[in-house]
Amino acid sequence: QLQLQESASGPVRPSETLSLNCKLSGDSMSRSGFFWAWLRQAPGKGLEWLGSVSYSDIPYLNPSLKSRVSLVADTSRNQFSLTLDSMTAADTAVYFCARQVVPYDSSWRGSYFDSWGQGSLVTVSS
Amino acid sequence: SPDLTQPPALSVSPLETASITCSGALLETAFVSWYQRRPGLSPLLLIYQDVRRPSGVPERFSGSTYGGTATLRIDVTQPVDEADYFCQVWDATAGIVFGAGTKLTVL
Repeated sequence: QLQLQESASGPVRPSETLSLNCKLSGDSMSRSGFFWAWLRQAPGKGLEWLGSVSYSDIPYLNPSLKSRVSLVADTSRNQFSLTLDSMTAADTAVYFCARQVVPYDSSWRGSYFDSWGQGSLVTVSS
Repeated sequence: SPDLTQPPALSVSPLETASITCSGALLETAFVSWYQRRPGLSPLLLIYQDVRRPSGVPERFSGSTYGGTATLRIDVTQPVDEADYFCQVWDATAGIVFGAGTKLTVL
């Protein structure tokens, strides 16, 4: 049974960089047919996709955040990471890592997130 | 950015049927998934590829689509179903897109 665990984040000051890791247990991230994603939910807002990375370390990023987001896959450690630059109060949110299923027959058009981490609360405050 | 429109809130009585809609042009060309998020918990996949239900999700939850509207149906609604529900699709320009969510209240 796959489990995903985000690293905890302490308070982040405005203009600083957020770094989070997601560690897999119970399965390997090197299996084909999956991407590894970061999403977030700000207080009172909906879910927002930040980006996904393949096990071969190819990122696919939300265009609205592309200039600030970096994703890295580390199959040797069975984990992947998120870096978000220039944090502001608007980035305060619960950040989730998730497994994205990308079916062979429909590719991203039919993709979905079937396993999620418990979430890491990130607060941006001076 | 591409829009997926969901009603902000819906109230039902226990044992009634709840129907949550998600509308947008993207739904005519892409599969929709549905997620439940209860307070303090991670999102849970309820429906994927319009109508498929993962193992472990009760049969009370079902999905359907018609034209540019997708519907999540919850039969025999229970107090434990009180949560936020989100639809999700893929767009070639924006990537993964979510609806703003529907808050379901079971009175």
